[in-house]
Amino acid sequence: KAGVTQTPRYLIKTRGQQVTLSCSPISGHRSVSWYQQTPGQGLQFLFEYFSETQRNKGNFPGRFSGRQFSNSRSEMNVSTLELGDSALYLCASSRTGGVADTQYFGPGTRLTVL
Amino acid sequence: AQSVTQPDIHITVSEGASLELRCNYSYGATPYLFWYVQSPGQGLQLLLKYFSGDTLVQGIKGFEAEFKRSQSSFNLRKPSVHWSDAAEYFCAVGPPNNAGNMLTFGGGTRLMVKP
Repeated sequence: KAGVTQTPRYLIKTRGQQVTLSCSPISGHRSVSWYQQTPGQGLQFLFEYFSETQRNKGNFPGRFSGRQFSNSRSEMNVSTLELGDSALYLCASSRTGGVADTQYFGPGTRLTVL
Repeated sequence: AQSVTQPDIHITVSEGASLELRCNYSYGATPYLFWYVQSPGQGLQLLLKYFSGDTLVQGIKGFEAEFKRSQSSFNLRKPSVHWSDAAEYFCAVGPPNNAGNMLTFGGGTRLMVKP
């Protein structure tokens, strides 16, 4: 079956702009989580959605937001981009959203902010 | 707050040699423990996970990990490394009460394999 897909794979934006990233989970998976990966901070949890509801949120400013649709697809939005937002954004999906449930990661979207 | 430490940023081993990657965690209770691997340009792939029971866990690609409560460690091992194992490895912990699936990752260990 198809894995987690993320679009676009690469994105270049300038400071002050906003960006929307998309994640399509594996069919049948209802939980989607987002992570930011940077060389300096490593992998950090952004937020998790289950059945269109945000269940958990990491320690990120309000410029980072997300949502999940009824088909479990998820988007994350970053407004007023800063240089420090340059990162690889990873999406992961799982069937039930429990920590015991295996999370499958997508290839990521690499965002560059100039 | 929970934290995960991977003391070795880079490790180089010869092909065919054994491998051990270290992971230490800090948490009030025994968390859920994971090892993931990330190849260049790829997302993360789960190698193995530990929740309870037998402290030696077998994973994919010939990897295993041992949970040691007294040392708060969850080290990853492989008896014979292949060139294709070159990648970055991440140890992670999840909340013990199964309240959501947010993971806290260590900083990663980059493995290089010499021919």
